[in-house]
Amino acid sequence: TQLLEQSPQFLSIQEGENLTVYCNSSSVFSSLQWYRQEPGEGPVLLVTVVTGGEVKKLKRLTFQFGDARKDSSLHITAAQPGDTGLYLCAGALYSGGGADGLTFGKGTHLIIQP
Amino acid sequence: EPEVTQTPSHQVTQMGQEVILRCVPISNHLYFYWYRQILGQKVEFLVSFYNNEISEKSEIFDDQFSVERPDGSNFTLKIRSTKLEDSAMYFCASSEEGARLLFEQYFGPGTRLTVT
Repeated sequence: TQLLEQSPQFLSIQEGENLTVYCNSSSVFSSLQWYRQEPGEGPVLLVTVVTGGEVKKLKRLTFQFGDARKDSSLHITAAQPGDTGLYLCAGALYSGGGADGLTFGKGTHLIIQP
Repeated sequence: EPEVTQTPSHQVTQMGQEVILRCVPISNHLYFYWYRQILGQKVEFLVSFYNNEISEKSEIFDDQFSVERPDGSNFTLKIRSTKLEDSAMYFCASSEEGARLLFEQYFGPGTRLTVT
């Protein structure tokens, strides 16, 4: 059973600050996805990382996949109140016969205070 | 922009009743999934579906659950005899075929199932 641990569970910071949230596992994943979920809605895909060491940028968000493909981080520069939300990481393990479902972490609840 | 749609948005049913949750995946996607999220808990994988058959399923997906693609657009999840613990948000997702695209699952808005 693959498990993804996200930290911190809750984070409240002031607008303009930088932050990093982490997603760690003892398992190797074929890919890691980051999603954002609003209350009562479905997860919205932000990014997919596939290659160990891969770095992807989405405006002020920087995503990194660990070299061993067991962990990932999300860094937000100059956080804004609009970044407030639940950030989920999810790992995929491609078995070759078809996609396994994603294994989700519990998420990081991020609050950016004006 | 294409999106996954789900109906109904909220379903209330009595324990022991059958429910069918419906999804319309993104039109050119070939892999389909169901997940559930119990209130306050993490999203959990139920089942994946490809080429008109189940590809993978989790321990949660027992004999009470079934999936079907009755036509070229709909993808359904049936719970035969609902239990109180089936109360959750159920999300449908879909992805394209292809090395990287396969992992990019796009989720619908969910159906909130309440079993009383």
